[in-house]
Amino acid sequence: GAVVSQHPSRVICKSGTSVKIECRSLDFQATTMFWYRQFPKQSLMLMATSNEGSKATYEQGVEKDKFLINHASLTLSTLTVTSAHPEDSSFYICSAKAGSPYEQYFGPGTRLTVT
Amino acid sequence: AQKITQTQPGMFVQEKEAVTLDCTYDTSDPSYGLFWYKQPSSGEMIFLIYQGSYDQQNATEGRYSLNFQKARKSANLVISASQLGDSAMYFCAMRDTGTASKLTFGTGTRLQVTL
Repeated sequence: GAVVSQHPSRVICKSGTSVKIECRSLDFQATTMFWYRQFPKQSLMLMATSNEGSKATYEQGVEKDKFLINHASLTLSTLTVTSAHPEDSSFYICSAKAGSPYEQYFGPGTRLTVT
Repeated sequence: AQKITQTQPGMFVQEKEAVTLDCTYDTSDPSYGLFWYKQPSSGEMIFLIYQGSYDQQNATEGRYSLNFQKARKSANLVISASQLGDSAMYFCAMRDTGTASKLTFGTGTRLQVTL
């Protein structure tokens, strides 16, 4: 099956710094990738839809200047959390849309802790 | 707006027994897709089963089956012959009918399989 990787799997950073998370589709091309955020014991909330070669579409309430998304190629999307604060600590999961209309493959997630 | 409701925060089932996880949805779109995902403690989202709104038959994938009752707007997941490895969070999700194919997730059900 299709594989999506995320890097890093865990990151700890200091408040005020920026963190970049990579999402890669390893064996397929993905024109569309999605970024989700999951707080402990809660559901996944879509943050933004990332389209290759164009600007990301952010969900209501998500600060586009704080969560920078770049989808520079058909296999890579990045999420940069700028000027991170402790409240940004969360589990960030990406997914990539593959061939058939309903296939969406998820990465293993990145656990961000801001101290 | 689409909405997914999972009313069971936690469920227990004995090994080898069957269990049903409830999911109801709300949408005004005639065309939609329903998904179930499993999230073990490692955090990855594992696709289990898909049901399209126009599918005539209930979806089945191995030990997983989806009890789709369109008039009641329910899409319950049935796991037969539960195994200890089935212990995890289970999320029901609905796909957006637009080209973006965004997923909206329910709040999840934590399933614990006991000996």
